[in-house]
Amino acid sequence: DTGVSQNPRHKITKRGQNVTFRCDPISEHNRLYWYRQTLGQGPEFLTYFQNEAQLEKSRLLSDRFSAERPKGSFSTLEIQRTEQGDSAMYLCASSLDRQGENIQYFGAGTRLSVL
Amino acid sequence: AQRVTQPEKLLSVFKGAPVELKCNYSYSGSPELFWYVQYSRQRLQLLLRHISRESIKGFTADLNKGETSFHLKKPFAQEEDSAMYYCAPPIMIKAAGNKLTFGGGTRVLVKP
Repeated sequence: DTGVSQNPRHKITKRGQNVTFRCDPISEHNRLYWYRQTLGQGPEFLTYFQNEAQLEKSRLLSDRFSAERPKGSFSTLEIQRTEQGDSAMYLCASSLDRQGENIQYFGAGTRLSVL
Repeated sequence: AQRVTQPEKLLSVFKGAPVELKCNYSYSGSPELFWYVQYSRQRLQLLLRHISRESIKGFTADLNKGETSFHLKKPFAQEEDSAMYYCAPPIMIKAAGNKLTFGGGTRVLVKP
């Protein structure tokens, strides 16, 4: 499968624990995005990277959230001291920054449940 | 506030009937919009984008700057069109509050 890969697919954790999700983008894509999606809502942008640089962060991304893309390839999203309100589907997408193109390809998502 | 709005949560039509999904935008700058679709148990994927002016799976979408709309249309709906549809701005457009987001989505149900 050469698409965007996210792991794990599901994560159940207790309130207060830390969790980390991983996203492997399509190999030649230089942009990588994280979104959060709750039931009945569209994806909400969290942050995005151009290569290894984190260029944009939404105000939704509180201090408990941190994302990295150390080598410009895979990315991790960490949530510290999880809260029940963090329960959501976390989507990753990647795209190739090319003139006239900005099509985002999405992963299947990581569903987080905070008990 | 600058945003993309999909006023209909659910559209239910019969097979062969026309279907139109509404999308309105309210941000300044040169509009560039996309429609994404999510079929059952599949990941979100691009359906079409306005700059390409193409028809995908029989769907078309016209950007109307006067009405600030980008409605998605198909003249004859098929059962396989049943899915969740999202209207989306390009990631580079900065909305108020630095919040870039998709529309809330419209679920289309095509009945036999």
